[in-house]
Amino acid sequence: GENVEQHPSTLSVQEGDSAVIKCTYSDSASNYFPWYKQELGKGPQLIIDIRSNVGEKKDQRIAVTLNKTAKHFSLHITETQPEDSAVYFCAAVVGSARQLTFGSGTQLTVLP
Amino acid sequence: DAGVTQSPTHLIKTRGQQVTLRCSPISGHKSVSWYQQVLGQGPQFIFQYYEKEERGRGNFPDRFSARQFPNYSSELNVNALLLGDSALYLCASSLMPGTYNEQFFGPGTRLTVL
Repeated sequence: GENVEQHPSTLSVQEGDSAVIKCTYSDSASNYFPWYKQELGKGPQLIIDIRSNVGEKKDQRIAVTLNKTAKHFSLHITETQPEDSAVYFCAAVVGSARQLTFGSGTQLTVLP
Repeated sequence: DAGVTQSPTHLIKTRGQQVTLRCSPISGHKSVSWYQQVLGQGPQFIFQYYEKEERGRGNFPDRFSARQFPNYSSELNVNALLLGDSALYLCASSLMPGTYNEQFFGPGTRLTVL
């Protein structure tokens, strides 16, 4: 089955710096890669996604890159703010099953 | 507009008991998925339902079952509870199943098995 690995498990950055979270996937049939932010006491919320026919996507301070050959994708947050502090999850969807397989999460802390 | 709602918020059970968790999707959404999130890990897919039919099932034992009602709400049942079933159970809804249909998550039900 699909396996998604996520690194690092914890990440601390100074406010204003950039943060990068990386994920790898195992199934070459994966074709959709969403990123979720989960705040304490809440369910995950989609923040950005990318499809397999695109190499990069950007939305204001957030960007995602995809390398299909290497089977890895990354989340980039620039100009981090304290409100960016949360747990971030990458996920992958395999086309036929259409199920989300999540990574293990990254606890991002933005220090003021 | 109301998001995905789940009830109860918290639940404490003992080993061997049975539990029912409830989910109401966003109005207009016809697909509901259930996930189990153990502390410190990512959510794990349990079930997906669409138009009252099971569309997908994750790697969970038969003690886990679910159903979807005509109003698209859903229930997750877990029988013969084990300590390892302690987790946050998340419900997510989408307009319909499909790779690119965004799933909106509820706040979850925190189940503790003693």
